[in-house]
Amino acid sequence: NAGVTQTPKFQVLKTGQSMTLQCAQDMNHEYMSWYRQDPGMGLRLIHYSVGAGITDQGEVPNGYNVSRSTTEDFPLRLLSAAPSQTSVYFCASSSGTSGRPPTGELFFGEGSRLTVL
Amino acid sequence: GQSLEQPSEVTAVEGAIVQINCTYQTSGFYGLSWYQQHDGGAPTFLSYNGLDGLEETGRFSSFLSRSDSYGYLLLQELQMKDSASYFCASSNYQLIWGAGTKLIIKP
Repeated sequence: NAGVTQTPKFQVLKTGQSMTLQCAQDMNHEYMSWYRQDPGMGLRLIHYSVGAGITDQGEVPNGYNVSRSTTEDFPLRLLSAAPSQTSVYFCASSSGTSGRPPTGELFFGEGSRLTVL
Repeated sequence: GQSLEQPSEVTAVEGAIVQINCTYQTSGFYGLSWYQQHDGGAPTFLSYNGLDGLEETGRFSSFLSRSDSYGYLLLQELQMKDSASYFCASSNYQLIWGAGTKLIIKP
């Protein structure tokens, strides 16, 4: 059972470039989310989705775009990369009920380490 | 605003017991989760308290008091592999995370 799979694991971008971080889960979870984690800090929510076709903004959405066309996939797009977006990005999913916050366990991918020069 | 406060670092001795506290100020509070994260790794779930009281899972226990907006994670019989960062997270409409507590264990 693969769980939550993120790609790529490492990426270096130049300022202004765009890219997509991929996230896929095979647990039929309704809730999926993207976080960023900066050194010495907790996770900050970028965007989340409570089901296919439904997305919403988290705490730090600016500069990022998401879509949820299937239950399995939740890609994160960086529209025009900036050095401030250098971070570790985590995708996480949960079996939380649509419209309700996730309770219990969030399952995380291994993370994607992004550097923007 | 919404926030969770936890100590930045805690030091303990192998075999001992340590408590990591978390106080929160959030709206629409549903419960408190705890996660462990080793350096370079992803967070892994430890426990969730949706109701007041103590939840026990092996060597780890977690406590919640809604009236005090307070919870803690208790780790017993500390092992060197428990050296990690521990995060409390508030389950409301948007999961909010504390900054993490780095647990240092000395032999």
